[in-house]
Amino acid sequence: AQSVTQLDSQVPVFEEAPVELRCNYSSSVSVYLFWYVQYPNQGLQLLLKYLSGSTLVKSINGFEAEFNKSQTSFHLRKPSVHISDTAEYFCAVSDQGYSTLTFGKGTMLLVSP
Amino acid sequence: DTEVTQTPKHLVMGMTNKKSLKCEQHMGHRAMYWYKQKAKKPPELMFVYSYEKLSINESVPSRFSPECPNSSLLNLHLHALQPEDSALYLCASSQGDTTYNEQFFGPGTRLTVL
Repeated sequence: AQSVTQLDSQVPVFEEAPVELRCNYSSSVSVYLFWYVQYPNQGLQLLLKYLSGSTLVKSINGFEAEFNKSQTSFHLRKPSVHISDTAEYFCAVSDQGYSTLTFGKGTMLLVSP
Repeated sequence: DTEVTQTPKHLVMGMTNKKSLKCEQHMGHRAMYWYKQKAKKPPELMFVYSYEKLSINESVPSRFSPECPNSSLLNLHLHALQPEDSALYLCASSQGDTTYNEQFFGPGTRLTVL
């Protein structure tokens, strides 16, 4: 069985400040890792993913996440946030060789001016 | 086309009604999923179809009945729902290859049961 822990249910931050959203997972096998973003009243959009290779993955809108196997973490970072980044962020894990996702409880990023 | 579409966007129904939710994708994906999401919670998996066959049913009550008429279409038939079934219902699809599972989500149907 696998699980995902997002310790922070809400992260308030000022515009242009850096942010880190934390994600830790537990699994007895190799995994794929994902960050999804959900804007208010919308579905989920894939933000970035780690499948293999370089442990640092980046999105087109400035987010990045680093896979750390020894610490079983996949934290999401952005050096300078915008008001438009306000959304719910879900970390998810999938066993390699199996087809379902396990989601964390989500972190609400609140960006204020 | 890299979209998953869902209809309707909103649905209000009484506890005695029968209604259906529809999901469609034209990405050639062979796995499709139904999730239920309550407010401020992560999505909860309900059903998985793989190559048009039901492969996972997460102990969902029988008042929810999924159907996969073809590889592009997924329906969720609703009957005799309860107010606690009010939620956002999300559909997703993926290639179906179990070694790589990037799921593409639709915008969801917001269901209210009166």
